[in-house]
Amino acid sequence: RKEVEQDPGPFNVPEGATVAFNCTYSNSASQSFFWYRQDCRKEPKLLMSVYSSGNEDGRFTAQLNRASQYISLLIRDSKLSDSATYLCVVNMFFGTGGFKTIFGAGTRLFVKA
Amino acid sequence: DVKVTQSSRYLVKRTGEKVFLECVQDMDHENMFWYRQDPGLGLRLIYFSYDVKMKEKGDIPEGYSVSREKKERFSLILESASTNQTSMYLCASRGGRNEKLFFGSGTQLSVL
Repeated sequence: RKEVEQDPGPFNVPEGATVAFNCTYSNSASQSFFWYRQDCRKEPKLLMSVYSSGNEDGRFTAQLNRASQYISLLIRDSKLSDSATYLCVVNMFFGTGGFKTIFGAGTRLFVKA
Repeated sequence: DVKVTQSSRYLVKRTGEKVFLECVQDMDHENMFWYRQDPGLGLRLIYFSYDVKMKEKGDIPEGYSVSREKKERFSLILESASTNQTSMYLCASRGGRNEKLFFGSGTQLSVL
């Protein structure tokens, strides 16, 4: 089983739509959680951190459920510029006191005019 | 802002060659990572380091080794390059456990 799993998509949505991405992680000792965005042929860039209390940044809302080991990202009022791959990222405890950073395989989003 | 620099953007090597990929960061980060990215597979962790001379295997360490002699530099070594190691290699660094990753621009390695 992969340590971080995401629906690979692709998701094809019209402009203005609301779209939700889900992610699960296997290590209950995971410490911190993020969503990254990656454009074609570019390195990943942080979109937002994810907290148990939920957090919002404009049209983007992220949520963490530690009991279910589940992370979500909601994008409202989709724009053409939101087309990208969205990566679920987890910092996991690895046993000698450190934390490794593990990526899901990513969910591809296409927003159409 | 943090800068992570990878020595080459594109690299072409022959099967069996020893390949060095260099990565340098300028923010005194303790943690450094090497990933490879292939279509449909996302970023997979090869090795990481949480301190000078300390290293841990990631999910796909076979065929690779690493070196971290100085805090700012983390090198990935392909002992004998093979065609299945053709990939995009991404280096990243991170400060504390709750902090984000900073990435280099990546090295597209082709092994012929």
